[in-house]
Amino acid sequence: GNSVTQMEGPVTLSEEAFLTINCTYTATGYPSLFWYVQYPGEGLQLLLKATKADDKGSNKGFEATYRKETTSFHLEKGSVQVSDSAVYFCALSDRGGGADGLTFGKGTHLIIQP
Amino acid sequence: DAGVIQSPRHEVTEMGQEVTLRCKPISGHNSLFWYRQTMMRGLELLIYFNNNVPIDDSGMPEDRFSAKMPNASFSTLKIQPSEPRDSAVYFCASRGEEGHEQYFGPGTRLTVT
Repeated sequence: GNSVTQMEGPVTLSEEAFLTINCTYTATGYPSLFWYVQYPGEGLQLLLKATKADDKGSNKGFEATYRKETTSFHLEKGSVQVSDSAVYFCALSDRGGGADGLTFGKGTHLIIQP
Repeated sequence: DAGVIQSPRHEVTEMGQEVTLRCKPISGHNSLFWYRQTMMRGLELLIYFNNNVPIDDSGMPEDRFSAKMPNASFSTLKIQPSEPRDSAVYFCASRGEEGHEQYFGPGTRLTVT
């Protein structure tokens, strides 16, 4: 079956630090990969996506590259802000393989200190 | 455009009572998903619909849970009877026909005492 593994936090960084949140996956087909962000008390917001190997998703200064050879989709940001504090979820779906629902990692709680 | 709408946002009920959660997907989206989020188990897919038809309900935990989608703009998730272990945040999400990404509602926080 499909699965997603991501580093669990909390991850605590100072403002303007470089961020990496690791995510690896296993899938039987050719999945699409996503990063979602959840702010306290809110639903999940799509942060970025990549639908095929070597695609790079980017949004709001965050980036992630779909690496098929390492089955990874690590999230990066060059300079984090206090407002980036949230829980980040890596996820995959495999529409072609009949797994339409999202399979999520357990989430990484990110705390940015001023 | 309005996003996915869920109601109620919070629900507190006593064990044994029936609970109905509601979802309105984004207009034009043809797939709808119900998820549950708990601290212990994270985010889990319960059931999803495609063109109002249930496709995969293997994530529904027990017969106490049921979901319907009578039309393209409305879905319900019902728990009858409810139990304290059903306490969680329940999310609804929708997706367009050609898209890969799902868009989530704000969730319903259910507390069963």
